[in-house]
Amino acid sequence: DTAVSQTPKYLVTQMGNDKSIKCEQNLGHDTMYWYKQDSKKFLKIMFSYNNKELIINETVPNRFSPKSPDKAHLNLHINSLELGDSAVYFCASNPLGAGGKETQYFGPGTRLLVL
Amino acid sequence: KQEVTQIPAALSVPEGENLVLNCSFTDSAIYNLQWFRQDPGKGLTSLLLIQSSQREQTSGRLNASLDKSSGRSTLYIAASQPGDSATYLCAVGSNTGKLIFGQGTTLQVKP
Repeated sequence: DTAVSQTPKYLVTQMGNDKSIKCEQNLGHDTMYWYKQDSKKFLKIMFSYNNKELIINETVPNRFSPKSPDKAHLNLHINSLELGDSAVYFCASNPLGAGGKETQYFGPGTRLLVL
Repeated sequence: KQEVTQIPAALSVPEGENLVLNCSFTDSAIYNLQWFRQDPGKGLTSLLLIQSSQREQTSGRLNASLDKSSGRSTLYIAASQPGDSATYLCAVGSNTGKLIFGQGTTLQVKP
């Protein structure tokens, strides 16, 4: 029973291409997140959605566009991929508004390599 | 702007030792503080969450403390085992759900 799943697990592509990463959670949570972990293992939030509505949008290039078709899915589309986009992208979810009592549940990550 | 720092960056101990990992943050107005574990090539697993009104949380051999006034949290691991080898991440949470992470402490427990 996978709680937070991401596809694909690995993604190797050329500079300039457009790619998407999909995330799904079966926990019934209403909030989902995207994080980027760089080559130095530093993890930083990119976006979050609550019930399909964008609530956090960090300083991320507009080549990155999150899309939430429903509260169980949050996909990440990246246009015109650059070498610096190579990283591990993690999706997470939690029931926001639980008084700070609920942790975030992370997916296994998508390893993106831009050549 | 909240910044989270973890010391040390790496730690190697023999099996059976008790150890402490440190986390400091610059803004004491936090919603919660969380400790995660990350194994190589894997996602993050939540270990402990301390709400801003709490001072500590315990789970098995793990104990995390929180001192907001000094901007510090510690993760205490008792009787370390080789299976505890991983990277430990501290994260400060806000009421929007945003987590700000430290850069982690990579722990190696030698048999």
